[in-house]
Amino acid sequence: KAGVTQTPRYLIKTRGQQVTLSCSPISGHRSVSWYQQTPGQGLQFLFEYFSETQRNKGNFPGRFSGRQFSNSRSEMNVSTLELGDSALYLCASSALGTDGGYTFGSGTRLTVV
Amino acid sequence: GQQVMQIPQYQHVQEGEDFTTYCNSSTTLSNIQWYKQRPGGHPVFLIQLVKSGEVKKQKRLTFQFGEAKKNSSLHITATQTTDVGTYFCAGPLVKQKLVFGQGTRLTINP
Repeated sequence: KAGVTQTPRYLIKTRGQQVTLSCSPISGHRSVSWYQQTPGQGLQFLFEYFSETQRNKGNFPGRFSGRQFSNSRSEMNVSTLELGDSALYLCASSALGTDGGYTFGSGTRLTVV
Repeated sequence: GQQVMQIPQYQHVQEGEDFTTYCNSSTTLSNIQWYKQRPGGHPVFLIQLVKSGEVKKQKRLTFQFGEAKKNSSLHITATQTTDVGTYFCAGPLVKQKLVFGQGTRLTINP
């Protein structure tokens, strides 16, 4: 059974640019959550999608957005990048949402210069 | 605000010593989950506890869920170098929002 696939693995962008990250969940999992991980802040919740609907979102500015497609694949977008957006972005899929364990992808390491 | 607190932030032990990390929630949880993240890796799901007072074991790892379902602990007996990593607890403080503790980073002196 294939795991959670995130692309790209690494990304270097310049301040002011925008970026799109992709996540393919485990087959059959309809819940996809996104997290930002930084050394100082730990794992911060960005948003959760289920069947193309955003069910919850974290305390991030509107520059952070996401969506989910009918095949459960998800994308997140960050516009007008800032240096502080440099982080590991992790996607997690789950069959049961918060009622079950999450399977994380390897993440996308974003560096903003 | 609602949060999940985890202590200690760091723990360094000699190989063979025991290790414990504690997790406390500001609210009652429907479940508590534990994850392990190896250096340079991503979080990997270890276990989920659902019942009040529940205790589960995985080899040398013992997980407990408090009676009030607001606290939890992970205890590792006789640590090995393969146990190195950061251990996170996580709970659904709000529906469809799994909130993670800050994690306990375990390092081991062989």
